[in-house]
Amino acid sequence: DTEVTQTPKHLVMGMTNKKSLKCEQHMGHRAMYWYKQKAKKPPELMFVYSYEKLSINESVPSRFSPECPNSSLLNLHLHALQPEDSALYLCASSQESLAGVGEQFFGPGTRLTVL
Amino acid sequence: DAKTTQPTSMDCAEGRAANLPCNHSTISGNEYVYWYRQIHSQGPQYIIHGLKNNETNEMASLIITEDRKSSTLILPHATLRDTAVYYCIVQMDSGYALNFGKGTSLLVTP
Repeated sequence: DTEVTQTPKHLVMGMTNKKSLKCEQHMGHRAMYWYKQKAKKPPELMFVYSYEKLSINESVPSRFSPECPNSSLLNLHLHALQPEDSALYLCASSQESLAGVGEQFFGPGTRLTVL
Repeated sequence: DAKTTQPTSMDCAEGRAANLPCNHSTISGNEYVYWYRQIHSQGPQYIIHGLKNNETNEMASLIITEDRKSSTLILPHATLRDTAVYYCIVQMDSGYALNFGKGTSLLVTP
């Protein structure tokens, strides 16, 4: 299984809502990532988890809260978002070993619209 | 900022080879060249990577110049399904973050 799955595919939420994005992989990868991609722009890294611990936070506002409950799952909790947070949210994973981090496998993304 | 420079867009006729260039003149000795592509509305997809030597897999070939300051991704027989944005990324193998630049939008035409 070389797939990263993301749910939901589409999400519309108001600025006062709380919602969560979910990402799952069963490739035994120990590094997992959240990226944000605005329309017609390249993906931008938000967070990196390594062995279920947050290792990189690219100065993301606290209204985005990541969580890694186990080695296969990665969540992104959303609260009090702004319309400018509307974007495609991509999850990725990669193997981490003494040989390096290697290629990243991406999910299809969650298209988020904040009203 | 991205460490690579790529043309904004390119066209290629179906069945022909697509040659996508990338400049990375500030690459350091322990940095790899990675290529990913993103088909419209999908997640990025890994294509190939290399350090010094040329590399080939079932998807593409990667040619890296001897001074490592530039590289070319070759899709030997482009199909319409190869229409995508292609990203050239320089990264340490121990580095997590993929620093995507603007990429090259490749259009394969019938």
